[in-house]
Amino acid sequence: NAGVTQTPKFRVLKTGQSMTLLCAQDMNHEYMYWYRQDPGMGLRLIHYSVGEGTTAKGEVPDGYNVSRLKKQNFLLGLESAAPSQTSVYFCASQLAFGELFFGEGSRLTVL
Amino acid sequence: GQQLNQSPQSMFIQEGEDVSMNCTSSSIFNTWLWYKQDPGEGPVLLIALYKAGELTSNGRLTAQFGITRKDSFLNISASIPSDVGIYFCAGNIYNQGGKLIFGQGTELSVKP
Repeated sequence: NAGVTQTPKFRVLKTGQSMTLLCAQDMNHEYMYWYRQDPGMGLRLIHYSVGEGTTAKGEVPDGYNVSRLKKQNFLLGLESAAPSQTSVYFCASQLAFGELFFGEGSRLTVL
Repeated sequence: GQQLNQSPQSMFIQEGEDVSMNCTSSSIFNTWLWYKQDPGEGPVLLIALYKAGELTSNGRLTAQFGITRKDSFLNISASIPSDVGIYFCAGNIYNQGGKLIFGQGTELSVKP
């Protein structure tokens, strides 16, 4: 039972570099989310998707882009990384209302 | 911005003590969920509440969905060292679809 899998788990970037975080879920869930977690700030929603081919902005979308080309995958992209994007990123999936299932997180450091 | 206020931000307690934390909002919620996050891992669901006034237990944990639908609390009885972690409340705001809003978290430390 893989559940929600995030890759990579760790990454160090230089300012201005780009990268993509991949989230894959095998539960056939419609909804998928990307959150970032910073100390004392809880989990803040970056972008989310309510189904294949759809995306929407969350609380803190600036500097990020997402795509949901396949139902099972939700990609988070940073086009030009900034030190303020140093964080732990969590992907989650959800069948409908209620429980979110989270991945293990991706720790990103931008120097 | 942040629509859920969770308190306290941190707690340092002795093993065996009871713990209480809560979340409040000015918005009405359809669901309240309580998650626990262990270090280096993603949050895991502890208790889900779907109806105003609902009181639900999961072992030593008890949570309630406030009657006004604007608050929820989580109690942990007889704490043990493995209760250490960050506890998050989360909820679906009425008429804002399925996306969850999270509180800032309560970091719990338990001294053996």
